[in-house]
Amino acid sequence: DAGVTQSPTHLIKTRGQQVTLRCSPKSGHDTVSWYQQALGQGPQFIFQYYEEEERQRGNFPDRFSGHQFPNYSSELNVNALLLGDSALYLCASSFLVGVTQYFGPGTRLTVL
Amino acid sequence: DAKTTQPTSMDCAEGRAANLPCNHSTISGNEYVYWYRQIHSQGPQYIIHGLKNNETNEMASLIITEDRKSSTLILPHATLRDTAVYYCIVRAERGTYKYIFGTGTRLKVLA
Repeated sequence: DAGVTQSPTHLIKTRGQQVTLRCSPKSGHDTVSWYQQALGQGPQFIFQYYEEEERQRGNFPDRFSGHQFPNYSSELNVNALLLGDSALYLCASSFLVGVTQYFGPGTRLTVL
Repeated sequence: DAKTTQPTSMDCAEGRAANLPCNHSTISGNEYVYWYRQIHSQGPQYIIHGLKNNETNEMASLIITEDRKSSTLILPHATLRDTAVYYCIVRAERGTYKYIFGTGTRLKVLA
């Protein structure tokens, strides 16, 4: 049973560019959440998707957007990249009526 | 705002029990306490969770005080591979999966 997968593993972009990160949830899960983890900090919640809609959002600007597909996979898009967007981006999946999120390995984004 | 308080770092001798405390004094009646760990910038790994009663699984035990204001994660026989940052999390809102992470406890297991 595959766990949560994310792609790419690493990514380097320059300021002002746009980036798309991808996540495939654990089998049987229908909810995907995205987190940003800056170096030395705990993960911070960006938003959560269920039934292809954004259900909850953390304190992140509109430059951060997402999408969930009918197969429950998800994308995180970040526009107009800033140096401060450099971080590990984590995807977590869950089954809505369950209680536990399972995290993927993350995508390391570096903005130069 | 983080709803949990943990020591910044702890050391534990290999083979001994590691006891990691967490304070969650503002926890409400239906909120669960979760523990995750993160090894060197990998994704957080689920360890255990509980509501009121003590819990045990193959990885660890979770002891929750009767007033639910604090808990302790116990790794019964720590190994070098248990060196990681351990996060105690209270689920932020009922019916959602928004986790609020603090800065966690950096556990170092010493040979």
